[in-house]
Amino acid sequence: EAQVTQNPRYLITVTGKKLTVTCSQNMNHEYMSWYRQDPGLGLRQIYYSMNVEVTDKGDVPEGYKVSRKEKRNFPLILESPSPNQTSLYFCASSLPGANVLTFGAGSRLTVL
Amino acid sequence: SQQGEEDPQALSIQEGENATMNCSYKTSINNLQWYRQNSGRGLVHLILIRSNEREKHSGRLRVTLDTSKKSSSLLITASRAADTASYFCATALFDYKLSFGAGTTVTVRA
Repeated sequence: EAQVTQNPRYLITVTGKKLTVTCSQNMNHEYMSWYRQDPGLGLRQIYYSMNVEVTDKGDVPEGYKVSRKEKRNFPLILESPSPNQTSLYFCASSLPGANVLTFGAGSRLTVL
Repeated sequence: SQQGEEDPQALSIQEGENATMNCSYKTSINNLQWYRQNSGRGLVHLILIRSNEREKHSGRLRVTLDTSKKSSSLLITASRAADTASYFCATALFDYKLSFGAGTTVTVRA
């Protein structure tokens, strides 16, 4: 089944404890992106990647890192999480030029 | 700031009625898309309308686009309980940059 898989789905952590949210897609999509969703704010893009080793900042990149070493994987790294990063995170991917995103199921992160 | 803004924020209708929601945006776009999200789950793509199109249909969905007014509407006809969800418009400013609005929450009452 064509899908975007995120892990973990739920995570509670403490301020400053580094964490990684993994994202993997099995559709051979070049483009991948991370969004965060907060009440009343819709989805805001954190980082995106046009292809392997090509990443760029979205609208709210502060406090996050990404890497794209393989086409299928696009992990989101929070080096020193803070409470304002408590949010629902989505990974998404698409074919180049298609512009239609396939989303993962989401990862709900709580930073205490 | 967000490119797209949906109106209304919330909508409650009876099963069988039509639901209409609107999206306004600020700058020229390549295309506009609508997505559905069921209670905190991942978004699912519904329909895409290009800037040179005025209307598009997909099953019970009808989307219109008015580039002169920078607005779009999504009509869901003959609503069902399963249509209860949040609906988001997303505007494509250029390839790969999709900007989402805050969404319209639709509740379909049995």
